[in-house]
Amino acid sequence: NAGVTQTPKFQVLKTGQSMTLQCAQDMNHEYMSWYRQDPGMGLRLIHYSVGAGITDQGEVPNGYNVSRSTTEDFPLRLLSAAPSQTSVYFCASSPRGGRVNEQFFGPGTRLTVL
Amino acid sequence: QQQVKQSPQSLIVQKGGISIINCAYENTAFDYFPWYQQFPGKGPALLIAIRPDVSEKKEGRFTISFNKSAKQFSVHIMDSQPGDSATYFCAASKSYGQNFVFGPGTRLSVLP
Repeated sequence: NAGVTQTPKFQVLKTGQSMTLQCAQDMNHEYMSWYRQDPGMGLRLIHYSVGAGITDQGEVPNGYNVSRSTTEDFPLRLLSAAPSQTSVYFCASSPRGGRVNEQFFGPGTRLTVL
Repeated sequence: QQQVKQSPQSLIVQKGGISIINCAYENTAFDYFPWYQQFPGKGPALLIAIRPDVSEKKEGRFTISFNKSAKQFSVHIMDSQPGDSATYFCAASKSYGQNFVFGPGTRLSVLP
């Protein structure tokens, strides 16, 4: 299993550009989430999904869109990039059911917005 | 806003020493408390987790202590090794939810 994969690893955008961060998992996990990591602030939840076709907002959703058309994929779209969105983005997945909540994280995408 | 506070921000320990990182939460609805370890350039990985029905959980050199009344939990790393040098995050969530709240992280350096 590849686990959780993210592309690209690095990206530089200009203010106002749009792009999509890709996330895929091959563990058949129901739950998937997107976080951003900024120095001194830990990880903050952007959006999450509890299954295909179902998404919800996290703590910092503004400026980001998500969709979940399949169990495997959970792309994150930046509609109009702003310097405040410079961050490291992590995608995570976890199984549903039981009392196990372990999240499996991808390697991250480092985004710089100029 | 739900918060998880974490201290210290950074920690330097000699090889063989004990590393202690503390966290405190506010929302009494949280009932799952994991610790994640993150190496530079990598995503976080689950280290150990605890639920409020136990006060302590040990896995190898890592022990979580949980104080429900104080709404605090901590991780102890016994016999710390240079390979333990990483950033550690505590987190909290509800068992069947996906809204994890993370602490700001502790950068641990274990000197050889």
